[in-house]
Amino acid sequence: DTAVSQTPKYLVTQMGNDKSIKCEQNLGHDTMYWYKQDSKKFLKIMFSYNNKELIINETVPNRFSPKSPDKAHLNLHINSLELGDSAVYFCASTPGQPYYTDTQYFGPGTRLTVL
Amino acid sequence: RKEVEQDPGPFNVPEGATVAFNCTYSNSASQSFFWYRQDCRKEPKLLMSVYSSGNEDGRFTAQLNRASQYISLLIRDSKLSDSATYLCVVTKNTGGFKTIFGAGTRLFVKA
Repeated sequence: DTAVSQTPKYLVTQMGNDKSIKCEQNLGHDTMYWYKQDSKKFLKIMFSYNNKELIINETVPNRFSPKSPDKAHLNLHINSLELGDSAVYFCASTPGQPYYTDTQYFGPGTRLTVL
Repeated sequence: RKEVEQDPGPFNVPEGATVAFNCTYSNSASQSFFWYRQDCRKEPKLLMSVYSSGNEDGRFTAQLNRASQYISLLIRDSKLSDSATYLCVVTKNTGGFKTIFGAGTRLFVKA
């Protein structure tokens, strides 16, 4: 049983295209996140949703638009892909509000390559 | 200065060695501290939380020094399976909740 799952695992696309990544968690958690891990391995938070409501929106280009149809799903749509968007995107979840003591449960990651 | 800084390594150690990783954080308002482990091409997973009193889990010991804004992780009797990247993680709740990951320290344990 996969706790946090993401699709696709790999995504190779051309500059200028639009693509989506999907995330689902079956842990019953209320809060979900998107992180970006670049080539230097820094893991940076992009967005966080709690019960379908956006609560964290870091400085991310507005080409990135998250959507949470329900608390178990958080998708990420990226418009007009650029070379610099190439990275591994991780979805994560935590049980309640994004309290600082909660363990983050990560999905396996989506490796995005923009050519 | 980065908010969370770690020595990137890599640390190359023989099996059975003791190895220590350090992490410093810049914001004194930071509230919670963790070590995560990330295997190559895998997702990060929680290794242990770090408490002011220090805590130990088997071969792993974590320490926090709030005065010096410093966190450490000690691994005793290293195993081949300990080879991974160790991420220092700091959270704060000033100006909004935020979790900050260090860039990680790579460890290679060799036979």
